[in-house]
Amino acid sequence: KQEVTQIPAALSVPEGENLVLNCSFTDSAIYNLQWFRQDPGKGLTSLLLIQSSQREQTSGRLNASLDKSSGRSTLYIAASQPGDSATYLCAVSRSGGGADGLTFGKGTHLIIQP
Amino acid sequence: GAGVSQTPSNKVTEKGKYVELRCDPISGHTALYWYRQSLGQGPEFLIYFQGTGAADDSGLPNDRFFAVRPEGSVSTLKIQRTERGDSAVYLCASSPGAHTEAFFGQGTRLTVV
Repeated sequence: KQEVTQIPAALSVPEGENLVLNCSFTDSAIYNLQWFRQDPGKGLTSLLLIQSSQREQTSGRLNASLDKSSGRSTLYIAASQPGDSATYLCAVSRSGGGADGLTFGKGTHLIIQP
Repeated sequence: GAGVSQTPSNKVTEKGKYVELRCDPISGHTALYWYRQSLGQGPEFLIYFQGTGAADDSGLPNDRFFAVRPEGSVSTLKIQRTERGDSAVYLCASSPGAHTEAFFGQGTRLTVV
């Protein structure tokens, strides 16, 4: 059974710092990995999707990497801003037979101090 | 609308009652998913539709839970004989096809009292 772990569970940093969020998964047989942002009481906003054949994806100040063989991904946030404060969720595609959908980690709760 | 729409946004029901939660996906998206999220946890997969058919319902916790998507667009998640443990946020997502980027709705917060 696929398990997704995110470290750290919570992180608080001053504005302007660069930071890295970590995600690991136990089964490397995935189609893709997706990073999401969730604000309190809200749904999920897709940030980046990395296909299994890719090593990284970039969007603005965000860069996500994928090492499928070792079961790891990182989300790098450059020049953090207070508006980046949210919970960040990592999810891997379910695989096998007709399976689809995502298996999620518990998230990293990020606070950027002004 | 441009995004995934879920109604109602909040639902409070008494233990033992029946509830229906609705999801209106992004137009043209063939894949639709339901998830359940408890406080402090990541979303948990419930069911996946490809078109009108449930391609994978292995995440449904028991036979009190059922979902339909009769015309391949709107989906309804149905919960019979609700229990306090069913209280959670129910999230719906859609994507253009299998194994593509998923877009989520704002969720329905279900509270069973």
